[in-house]
Amino acid sequence: DVKVTQSSRYLVKRTGEKVFLECVQDMDHENMFWYRQDPGLGLRLIYFSYDVKMKEKGDIPEGYSVSREKKERFSLILESASTNQTSMYLCASSSSQGNTEAFFGQGTRLTVV
Amino acid sequence: EDQVTQSPEALRLQEGESSSLNCSYTVSGLRGLFWYRQDPGKGPEFLFTLYSAGEEKEKERLKATLTKKESFLHITAPKPEDSATYLCAVQGSQGNLIFGKGTKLSVKP
Repeated sequence: DVKVTQSSRYLVKRTGEKVFLECVQDMDHENMFWYRQDPGLGLRLIYFSYDVKMKEKGDIPEGYSVSREKKERFSLILESASTNQTSMYLCASSSSQGNTEAFFGQGTRLTVV
Repeated sequence: EDQVTQSPEALRLQEGESSSLNCSYTVSGLRGLFWYRQDPGKGPEFLFTLYSAGEEKEKERLKATLTKKESFLHITAPKPEDSATYLCAVQGSQGNLIFGKGTKLSVKP
């Protein structure tokens, strides 16, 4: 089974802190994605990556950055956390060949206080 | 602009009462339409991929169908354990998934 693992289920951080959300996948997928999910807004794409050291902005990249130093790992960084970044964060991965469905991690519920 | 609209936002059914969820999409060249199930506090779980109009896929009480403008998720004789939010997504031109806002299904015993 495909497995996408996010480092934390729940996280509480203070305003202004630098926050790291880690995601690891074990299926050798080329593509990895970070979404945030908010009530009434659905899933919105923050950043995605097609390959190691490559990154592309999604729909809402402001206030975030990403890092992909290894194929299996994709990190989301909140440079200076703010209360409006309180949300559910979801990591996903997919193959660029054949079946292209994305598989998601269990999510990280981040609260910024 | 690629767009996905799901209806209804919420659906309440009695156990055994069959119904359908709708997903309308606008995309320049469909590369795949995906259905996911999401339970509260968890990540979406993949259900189906559909690639071309006329295609159908089934899994237990769920059946997904696709036309050139929309997809339906048919639920036959649902059970309480089918209660969840069902998400529809299309693959955008850059390979990312564009999601609708979902339909929250509640099945009462």
